[in-house]
Amino acid sequence: NAGVMQNPRHLVRRRGQEARLRCSPMKGHSHVYWYRQLPEEGLKFMVYLQKENIIDESGMPKERFSAEFPKEGPSILRIQQVVRGDSAAYFCASSPGLAAYEQYFGPGTRLTVT
Amino acid sequence: AQRVTQPEKLLSVFKGAPVELKCNYSYSGSPELFWYVQYSRQRLQLLLRHISRESIKGFTADLNKGETSFHLKKPFAQEEDSAMYYCALKETSGSRLTFGEGTQLTVNP
Repeated sequence: NAGVMQNPRHLVRRRGQEARLRCSPMKGHSHVYWYRQLPEEGLKFMVYLQKENIIDESGMPKERFSAEFPKEGPSILRIQQVVRGDSAAYFCASSPGLAAYEQYFGPGTRLTVT
Repeated sequence: AQRVTQPEKLLSVFKGAPVELKCNYSYSGSPELFWYVQYSRQRLQLLLRHISRESIKGFTADLNKGETSFHLKKPFAQEEDSAMYYCALKETSGSRLTFGEGTQLTVNP
C-alpha cells in the first residue's frame, strides 16, 4: 500500500491564478481530510469529505476555496485567484471510516504564491 | 472552541536524559488526545493515543483531565527521537483533529 499520495509536491502560482491540489487516499479509505499549515504554525483543519459528500467544511475560507471527492479519482482542493497569504503546506489525510481513530497523512503540497 | 497549546517550540536534551513535551488543551467535552510525530523527510504519523494507554518507542502520555494536559514523556531520550511532535485533539462527536503548534525535539549525542 503506497499510502496517501499528494501531487504536486511543490506548486508555484502567481497571484490571481488557480491552484489545484490532488490527494489520493490509501486503498480502502473513503474519508479524506485537508489541513493547512502556515509558516511557524500547526496544522489547521479545513474540510472533511467522504466520497461525493462534504461532511464538514467549517475550516474552509468562505471565498475562493473549494474541495471535492468524486466517486472516481482523487480528492481535489481548489484555490481560485490565489493570494500571497495562501502560501502554505497543504496536507491531506485519509481514514477508512468514521469510527477509525487514526488519520494517515500524505507528504503534503507546498504552495508558493509569487 | 477547542484549543491545543504546546508551550515549547524548541526542546533540546542530551542522549539518555529524560524528556517531557508539554501539551495543554481546552475543550468542554471529553476529548480524545493524540501525539503525532514527523521525523526528518518523513510524513506525519501517529505516535500514540491516550485511550490505548500504551508505550510506543519508550514514550508514554497520560491524560490529566484536572490539569487538562497530555504531556509526552520518555525516561531516556535517544538521538533517533529527534523530530517534530504535535499534540492533537479529536472532539467526541467529530472526526477532525485540532493540532498544537508543535515542538521540535533535538536529542544531542
